[in-house]
Amino acid sequence: EPEVTQTPSHQVTQMGQEVILRCVPISNHLYFYWYRQILGQKVEFLVSFYNNEISEKSEIFDDQFSVERPDGSNFTLKIRSTKLEDSAMYFCAGTGQGVFGTNEKLFFGSGTQLSVL
Amino acid sequence: AQSVTQPDIHITVSEGASLELRCNYSYGATPYLFWYVQSPGQGLQLLLKYFSGDTLVQGIKGFEAEFKRSQSSFNLRKPSVHWSDAAEYFCAVAPHSGGYQKVTFGTGTKLQVIP
Repeated sequence: EPEVTQTPSHQVTQMGQEVILRCVPISNHLYFYWYRQILGQKVEFLVSFYNNEISEKSEIFDDQFSVERPDGSNFTLKIRSTKLEDSAMYFCAGTGQGVFGTNEKLFFGSGTQLSVL
Repeated sequence: AQSVTQPDIHITVSEGASLELRCNYSYGATPYLFWYVQSPGQGLQLLLKYFSGDTLVQGIKGFEAEFKRSQSSFNLRKPSVHWSDAAEYFCAVAPHSGGYQKVTFGTGTKLQVIP
């Protein structure tokens, strides 16, 4: 089965530093997402991305966050100035369709564990 | 607003025993329902989903789930657990419109399988 690849698997950073989390989606996917899971809490939607622009974002996705797909291959999440509460597992995901369908599903990467000290 | 409750944070079962993981949802209409599994070091993988029709849904790896509208539940079952089923399981709910950005996940149930 095709895979979504995320790097790095673990990232440790100091508060206030910028981090970039990288994802390589499946090549024929068109819709991309970032989710995060703070330890012990639910997986939460951050942002969706289609046709090189943000299609929807949650309240969590404030001005400190940005996403881009610079080269048609990588899909990145940047946190400009990290806070302690940004510590979480961040998941990239993608799908071929933006709506639910019987024969489609969301493919997740294995996540990047971000620790902000 | 929709919500999902997985009342069991951690479950331990013996290999070969049957398994039932509970999921209750809150939503004004019949939602789309999902079960995902996350094995250590891997991403979430879809086990099965319910959109409409037959309320007993078959998934991968021998799992099934039953949608019970009267109980607002979508419990996951497996008749005989294998050691490789040890993982974290997430129930999720979504409205019929809006796509994956509208999915609400539960907090997960960690399954431990003992010999």
